Amino acid sequence: NAGVTQTPKFQVLKTGQSMTLQCAQDMNHNSMYWYRQDPGMGLRLIYYSASEGTTDKGEVPNGYNVSRLNKREFSLRLESAAPSQTSVYFCASSEDMRLAVYNEQFFGPGTRLTVL
Amino acid sequence: AQSVTQPDIHITVSEGASLELRCNYSYGATPYLFWYVQSPGQGLQLLLKYFSGDTLVQGIKGFEAEFKRSQSSFNLRKPSVHWSDAAEYFCAVVDTNNAGNNRKLIWGLGTSLAVNP
Repeated sequence: NAGVTQTPKFQVLKTGQSMTLQCAQDMNHNSMYWYRQDPGMGLRLIYYSASEGTTDKGEVPNGYNVSRLNKREFSLRLESAAPSQTSVYFCASSEDMRLAVYNEQFFGPGTRLTVL
Repeated sequence: AQSVTQPDIHITVSEGASLELRCNYSYGATPYLFWYVQSPGQGLQLLLKYFSGDTLVQGIKGFEAEFKRSQSSFNLRKPSVHWSDAAEYFCAVVDTNNAGNNRKLIWGLGTSLAVNP
């Protein structure tokens, strides 16, 4: 049982490049989330998926797209990376669809992204 | 809007000393509160949560937190800190302004804990 896994762990991009951050969970959770963590800003929700086939914007969705490929996988795509997207990105999942926010969120180890 | 404040950005304690990390929230009704810990290079892990009932909540790793409505606080405590407790600690509250699946967590900015040997 690996929990929540994220790839890659580290990535350096040039401005304008694109990339996809991968996230998978093996806990059969319905809800999945993408956060970014920046110094002095705390955790900010980018996108979330309450259940397979649905995605919704969080606080800071601009410049990102997501895909809930299946129940296990939730990817985050940067179409044209900008230096402002330099951050640590966390994927998380939680169990219950209806009241997911009240349940424990399980976090992956994060992806440290630098955009030059 | 609901908010969470962690007044201390950074705290240093000696190993074996007691610890209290502060968290204040703004919300009129009973809040749903969480404490998470992030060890260096790791994702976040839930320490404990409070929804209702006994205002003193026990969590993992020997942590506890006390909900005080009169002070709008949910402070995290540990009687004796271990070097392995050095980490970032986040308080969070459920944002109940939206319904159902649109409810999300509002996160504090975190308190970084250093432990001196």
